[in-house]
Amino acid sequence: IAGITQAPTSQILAAGRRMTLRCTQDMRHNAMYWYRQDLGLGLRLIHYSNTAGTTGKGEVPDGYSVSRANTDDFPLTLASAVPSQTSVYFCASSPGPYQPQHFGDGTRLSIL
Amino acid sequence: GQQLNQSPQSMFIQEGEDVSMNCTSSSIFNTWLWYKQDPGEGPVLLIALYKAGELTSNGRLTAQFGITRKDSFLNISASIPSDVGIYFCAGPAPGSQGNLIFGKGTKLSVKP
Repeated sequence: IAGITQAPTSQILAAGRRMTLRCTQDMRHNAMYWYRQDLGLGLRLIHYSNTAGTTGKGEVPDGYSVSRANTDDFPLTLASAVPSQTSVYFCASSPGPYQPQHFGDGTRLSIL
Repeated sequence: GQQLNQSPQSMFIQEGEDVSMNCTSSSIFNTWLWYKQDPGEGPVLLIALYKAGELTSNGRLTAQFGITRKDSFLNISASIPSDVGIYFCAGPAPGSQGNLIFGKGTKLSVKP
């Protein structure tokens, strides 16, 4: 079934460790996005990429980095995890900017 | 920054009742999207609206793009237990290069 695959589904991580969340889509969408979802704060955009080879900062980019080497993959890296990065992380994609986004099932990350 | 205000924050209704929720913005939007999120899953697109005054249905769901372009409404008729979840409105924020901003959601609970 076409869609977005996120890995891992959940992870417990010690503070200070480096972590990469993986996201792969098979819909050949040009645009991809990373959000974090926290209780009471809704979905907030971390980083985005409108096309392979380009990335941009969203609302809450600090402490995170992304790369977009090809159309299908959009990994999110926490260089040195901190407890405030405990959250549920969603990857999404859309055919292009301004178009409805399709979401993965999320990665639940706990930083201790 | 730009915000979408969703109301109500939560609803607890009897099975079979109709449900109404809305989303307002201080800025004009050219697109309104409605998503539903089930527990433990990513948001799923329900309805997309592209024109002021547009009324679109998806089964028992009907959404409207407000005539002022600053609001949108979602109605669910004859609610059933599987309607339980969180409903989000979203739209591309002005000047955002097409990135979405999300309301904080309306949590729907249904009594059988």
